[in-house]
Amino acid sequence: GAGVSQSPRYKVAKRGQDVALRCDPISGHVSLFWYQQALGQGPEFLTYFQNEAQLDKSGLPSDRFFAERPEGSVSTLKIQRTQQEDSAVYLCASSFYLGTQYFGPGTRLTVL
Amino acid sequence: KNEVEQSPQNLTAQEGEFITINCSYSVGISALHWLQQHPGGGIVSLFMLSSGKKKHGRLIATINIQEKHSSLHITASHPRDSAVYICAVRSTRNQFYFGTGTSLTVIP
Repeated sequence: GAGVSQSPRYKVAKRGQDVALRCDPISGHVSLFWYQQALGQGPEFLTYFQNEAQLDKSGLPSDRFFAERPEGSVSTLKIQRTQQEDSAVYLCASSFYLGTQYFGPGTRLTVL
Repeated sequence: KNEVEQSPQNLTAQEGEFITINCSYSVGISALHWLQQHPGGGIVSLFMLSSGKKKHGRLIATINIQEKHSSLHITASHPRDSAVYICAVRSTRNQFYFGTGTSLTVIP
């Protein structure tokens, strides 16, 4: 596709459920980023991959959050035992190395 | 926290006005990004700059590395410019920090 795609676009989970959010970056983009955006706030950095290597995961809020990009293209952000405070829009962006980032539409996660 | 500060938080302008949004940061940076987020969530990257000035249509972005400050200017503003404008920086340690955004409303 022409841009970054994310799925699902919307996810409702019961507290305690595990969720998996998918990001398909632009083909050929080496770098992939995950961000969390709470309502009314700017995005906050979660983690960053260069190819399949997770170079920075300092923004992951807890060990319930896990991201992978096993083949250096598609990435999955997994949240285990979801909590209400995990409710947010999760944004994925990709770039050719550390150039201009192209953002996906986001996945809006609501934890009940 | 608050490595990136933006001002103003909210801005209302009449159509045609010249608009300036400011961004100050406290970390050493490799690059600074200006992003636009329309209601409904989609984020578009407007500029990435590490020095000087860039222009795209009615948008101009400047950065002063010594002062750790950047500005986004919109000339001849239009209602379709109404959006949240976010300043983000990539630090020299390749960590990313975002401002909380400036909500711009341009009234016809």
